[in-house]
Amino acid sequence: DAGVIQSPRHEVTEMGQEVTLRCKPISGHDYLFWYRQTMMRGLELLIYFNNNVPIDDSGMPEDRFSAKMPNASFSTLKIQPSEPRDSAVYFCASSFTQGWGETQYFGPGTRLLVL
Amino acid sequence: ILNVEQSPQSLHVQEGDSTNFTCSFPSSNFYALHWYRWETAKSPEALFVMTLNGDEKKKGRISATLNTKEGYSYLYIKGSQPEDSATYLCARQASGSRLTFGEGTQLTVNP
Repeated sequence: DAGVIQSPRHEVTEMGQEVTLRCKPISGHDYLFWYRQTMMRGLELLIYFNNNVPIDDSGMPEDRFSAKMPNASFSTLKIQPSEPRDSAVYFCASSFTQGWGETQYFGPGTRLLVL
Repeated sequence: ILNVEQSPQSLHVQEGDSTNFTCSFPSSNFYALHWYRWETAKSPEALFVMTLNGDEKKKGRISATLNTKEGYSYLYIKGSQPEDSATYLCARQASGSRLTFGEGTQLTVNP
């Protein structure tokens, strides 16, 4: 398996623009997680899905952020409008039948810079 | 302990030294403790998942222990090598699937 795939790997945009990050989880995994990594806050969970349904979005910072999972093999994280403080590395991770202790497999991340 | 805390924040050792770090976490509502290895410019890579009090896991020169009653886990590296240089993250899993990560211990192994 190719692992978790994220695109783009790098994104530079201007404040106010819409940004869409994409993720393809590992085939057969039924959980998908979106994380954000910053110097100030470390690695924090934004939202996660189970069987394409959002389960916990309490980490989504504000209404400018939205995430969708239209099918088992694709998810998007959208920021509209983007702001400089959104600059971070965004990771997608997936896992299988999370009960107690299943490993989350991380993608390579998208490095976002908002000017 | 309210959050996941890791110590030390950073560590420099010489090649061949053995070392260990600590992860402290709230012991209530505990499901699992995860350890990840995170190299610069790469993505976190899973090392261990532990669920039971007294669990010990080992992978090569790296091992980990878990004490759920007092809320801590130790990660040990025996005979550190330069390629072990990375940030080591622990994460606590409580109810559901949410992981709460610590800030990590940044290890540098000097040749």
